[in-house]
Amino acid sequence: SQELEQSPQSLIVQEGKNLTINCTSSKTLYGLYWYKQKYGEGLIFLMMLQKGGEEKSHEKITAKLDEKKQQSSLHITASQPSHAGIYLCGAESGNNFNKFYFGSGTKLNVKP
Amino acid sequence: GAVVSQHPSRVICKSGTSVKIECRSLDFQATTMFWYRQFPKQSLMLMATSNEGSKATYEQGVEKDKFLINHASLTLSTLTVTSAHPEDSSFYICSARNPPQGLPPNYGYTFGSGTRLTVV
Repeated sequence: SQELEQSPQSLIVQEGKNLTINCTSSKTLYGLYWYKQKYGEGLIFLMMLQKGGEEKSHEKITAKLDEKKQQSSLHITASQPSHAGIYLCGAESGNNFNKFYFGSGTKLNVKP
Repeated sequence: GAVVSQHPSRVICKSGTSVKIECRSLDFQATTMFWYRQFPKQSLMLMATSNEGSKATYEQGVEKDKFLINHASLTLSTLTVTSAHPEDSSFYICSARNPPQGLPPNYGYTFGSGTRLTVV
């Protein structure tokens, strides 16, 4: 099965600072999704990347998929307490891409 | 956009009893649904892939006799935790693959809001 490793596992930053979360795949990615979650709650879809080199932004969050399509990074500019939560990358895998796995997760805490 | 309804959102049950969690796609047909489990401070672990009209495909290490999955229609998949024990307490969440014409913000997959199961 495809493995998605995220780094760092957890992150504490001061409000206003920039930060980056990485998601590395053991296999070529054909579609990489980013979600935000607070534990025990539903997922908030952030964005989906498909093409190597693709970059998308949503408010102060930018995500990129590298050219070789085995790594994605999520960058938050001028972080705010509202950005706190668990960030999860996800991707399809399996025969005919019939399964959807999540990365190991990154817990973000933003100190006011 | 596509909507997936998951019920109940919270359930407390006694050890030894069974609990059923429902996952419904409200405005589209979902031939494939996924069930995940999440422990505190951890990511979502895929338990099984639910396929309409056929047996679910379980991930390695997931007991299929304990976590019964039924996908009897194109809009409903159920997860039954049988003979629940305190160690089954967790957050369970389902998702459905969107129809091909799905558009952002529900692009690709739509997730239920999750069920917090507490076994006492």
